[in-house]
Amino acid sequence: QKEVEQNSGPLSVPEGAIASLNCTYSDRGSQSFFWYRQYSGKSPELIMFIYSNGDKEDGRFTAQLNKASQYVSLLIRDSQPSDSATYLCAVTRGSNYKLTFGKGTLLTVNP
Amino acid sequence: EAGVAQSPRYKIIEKRQSVAFWCNPISGHATLYWYQQILGQGPKLLIQFQNNGVVDDSQLPKDRFSAERLKGVDSTLKIQPAKLEDSAVYLCASSPQGSGNTIYFGEGSWLTVV
Repeated sequence: QKEVEQNSGPLSVPEGAIASLNCTYSDRGSQSFFWYRQYSGKSPELIMFIYSNGDKEDGRFTAQLNKASQYVSLLIRDSQPSDSATYLCAVTRGSNYKLTFGKGTLLTVNP
Repeated sequence: EAGVAQSPRYKIIEKRQSVAFWCNPISGHATLYWYQQILGQGPKLLIQFQNNGVVDDSQLPKDRFSAERLKGVDSTLKIQPAKLEDSAVYLCASSPQGSGNTIYFGEGSWLTVV
């Protein structure tokens, strides 16, 4: 079982719709959870992080964490073509902040 | 504030040759990471430094890869000899000490081994 699993996609949504990206992790000791966005040919950039169960909102983005189910998701409201990218889920455990990434989900937002 | 600097940006070498990548982290950042990202996959941590000490190198193929951060600032990652499967983007990242939610990535060094 892979440590961090994501559906590789591609996930295609129309402009203005809600995009839902999902991630599961295997290590119950994971403590922090991150969503990165990576445009083609570019480096990852942090969108959000979440530590506690529940929802965390930042603008059009909402991260949801359920530690009992070992599940974290990212919702993008009012999706824009500029949101088209690969979204990487990452988790850390312990104090050394070692990020373990999933393979990423390719999101395409169609105008 | 200057970001994480990496060079060279692109490199093409033949298998069995050697290559070195350089990284200069954001000023004052104690933690430096080297990640390998193969096309279609997420980044994989190769090595993590805290100042000039190694925190984690469990996934570094030590028979061919080496890395150093001698003065606790910039770092070099070397591959010798290179294999075809080393073709990837090598991402350097840095963060302030004790701050896991502020990891900044450089633009990456793209390696093609032919």
